[in-house]
Amino acid sequence: QKEVEQNSGPLSVPEGAIASLNCTYSDRGSQSFFWYRQYSGKSPELIMSIYSNGDKEDGRFTAQLNKASQYVSLLIRDSQPSDSATYLCAVRFTGGGNKLTFGTGTQLKVEL
Amino acid sequence: NAGVTQTPKFQVLKTGQSMTLQCAQDMNHNSMYWYRQDPGMGLRLIYYSASEGTTDKGEVPNGYNVSRLNKREFSLRLESAAPSQTSVYFCASSLAGQPNYGYTFGSGTRLTVV
Repeated sequence: QKEVEQNSGPLSVPEGAIASLNCTYSDRGSQSFFWYRQYSGKSPELIMSIYSNGDKEDGRFTAQLNKASQYVSLLIRDSQPSDSATYLCAVRFTGGGNKLTFGTGTQLKVEL
Repeated sequence: NAGVTQTPKFQVLKTGQSMTLQCAQDMNHNSMYWYRQDPGMGLRLIYYSASEGTTDKGEVPNGYNVSRLNKREFSLRLESAAPSQTSVYFCASSLAGQPNYGYTFGSGTRLTVV
């Protein structure tokens, strides 16, 4: 069973701080990794994807991938109350075709 | 607007009733998926269609059937609804053969079975 693990939280950070969200996965050969944001009562929205070891930056978001240690993380700089949501990590496992396997998500709360 | 459209948005069924959830995408995607989302369980794959004319079971297919009507449309049918099928259902689509391409999700269907 290929798995994606996330701490459910909630993770609380003050406004303006860096929020760090982590995800581990079970298959060392996995190809590609995605972070989705889901507001309460809404559908998941893709915010970042990463496929190579290292960092990928997009505005206030940075995705970090370490395939040897089998973890992927998402950093949110200058956190805003509007960033309060659940963040889902998704992995496209080797041999899984086009399917994504999702973690259960980490709830982030950005406090004023 | 381009995207994935799901209908209905809300539905209440009595145990034993049947219904079909509709999904259509206009992004020319090959692959389509049905997930359910339950508190603490995350998104679980029910069925998927890698390309037009093919369907396969996912992690939790029992009690469901699907039809890939054409490239745009992928429906999910509950033949005899049970309270355990109370959930939020999401349809998603993606490009086949593009490992670095994520999913686009529909807005979801909130189903309650009483």
